[in-house]
Amino acid sequence: DADVTQTPRNRITKTGKRIMLECSQTKGHDRMYWYRQDPGLGLRLIYYSFDVKDINKGEISDGYSVSRQAQAKFSLSLESAIPNQTALYFCATRGLNYGYTFGSGTRLTVV
Amino acid sequence: QKEVEQNSGPLSVPEGAIASLNCTYSDRGSQSFFWYRQYSGKSPELIMFIYSNGDKEDGRFTAQLNKASQYVSLLIRDSQPSDSATYLCAVNIGGTASKLTFGTGTRLQVTL
Repeated sequence: DADVTQTPRNRITKTGKRIMLECSQTKGHDRMYWYRQDPGLGLRLIYYSFDVKDINKGEISDGYSVSRQAQAKFSLSLESAIPNQTALYFCATRGLNYGYTFGSGTRLTVV
Repeated sequence: QKEVEQNSGPLSVPEGAIASLNCTYSDRGSQSFFWYRQYSGKSPELIMFIYSNGDKEDGRFTAQLNKASQYVSLLIRDSQPSDSATYLCAVNIGGTASKLTFGTGTRLQVTL
């Protein structure tokens, strides 16, 4: 099993719908992150969490919310999806060597 | 000025040659630097990381830091076709290693 698991892998949704992307990890790391990747814009930080009670906004948090249900689970929600939220979304955890481990990504399309 | 900048490429090198990838960063206080490799449609994979106290070599890969000029380099010796990917530079902007800022990546093509 992968260390960082994201579900779903692919999702097509309609404008205005609520959608949740889920992330779970088996590495025992406290720190978890959500990034989105767009062509030409690279990886941009949406939200990050240092533990269950600590949630922080990243550079592009508008239109998104998160929930840290447990140390191992960190979910990203789009309350009302819009087409410019079409992107590749990555969850990541951080270990002691400061390097991130990324999940395999969720490709989200909003039509 | 972007916080972390990379030339988007593509950088094309022949098989067996040295590929040199560069990344500039804006925060002079940054202390940790990371290189990730990303194949098309896949997630980024950590290749190397260095701290402000020195360069690092790991197999065919060498990461070098030039603090005065605020850039970090990744050298890939004996380049192989399997090295063809996008290479992402990441830096802890703002003096914290808790979150990283990524460059947009350089696409490397290793030709036969």
